[in-house]
Amino acid sequence: GQSLEQPSEVTAVEGAIVQINCTYQTSGFYGLSWYQQHDGGAPTFLSYNALDGLEETGRFSSFLSRSDSYGYLLLQELQMKDSASYFCAVVGAGSYQLTFGKGTKLSVIP
Amino acid sequence: SAVISQKPSRDICQRGTSLTIQCQVDSQVTMMFWYRQQPGQSLTLIATANQGSEATYESGFVIDKFPISRPNLTFSTLTVSNMSPEDSSIYLCSVEARSEETQYFGPGTRLLVL
Repeated sequence: GQSLEQPSEVTAVEGAIVQINCTYQTSGFYGLSWYQQHDGGAPTFLSYNALDGLEETGRFSSFLSRSDSYGYLLLQELQMKDSASYFCAVVGAGSYQLTFGKGTKLSVIP
Repeated sequence: SAVISQKPSRDICQRGTSLTIQCQVDSQVTMMFWYRQQPGQSLTLIATANQGSEATYESGFVIDKFPISRPNLTFSTLTVSNMSPEDSSIYLCSVEARSEETQYFGPGTRLLVL
């Protein structure tokens, strides 16, 4: 089976940098995805890592270490609109199936 | 990315009744997925629906309770049968996104069962 661990809540100041960690245990691993979900909204795809290293997309970056079964999402220059829940999800080998972590609720404060 | 729509967007239903949720995507996709998300919780996969074959259900979900149809490559339905208040949840469909090896999600159907 699959299990993922991420912090339940994080609070950060507008303009700052925040890192949301995700560790996973899985029987089959193809990659790690990150999703953002605002209250009342649908999950929105942010990034995907299949290989070790850092992927950068604007203010958001995602990192993966397959040997450590660990990844993180880095949000820079935080804005109030970044307040949302962030989910890491393991992509299962060969099936595109996703197993989600419990989510991290990010609160950005002035 | 794919554009995905769901109908209805929300509904309030009486216990013992059934509701069918529709999911439409603007391009042909092989794999469609149905998830449930209870308030404040994570997403749980209900089943995977491939066109031309029976849906594959995850542990804890059965076809009698959540029958799924997948008549073509752009459409799927999920029925929540014999509903109880415990079925109150957000139901989301998603589709494969081969370029990113992941999935795109529809806007969800918010269901309240009284």
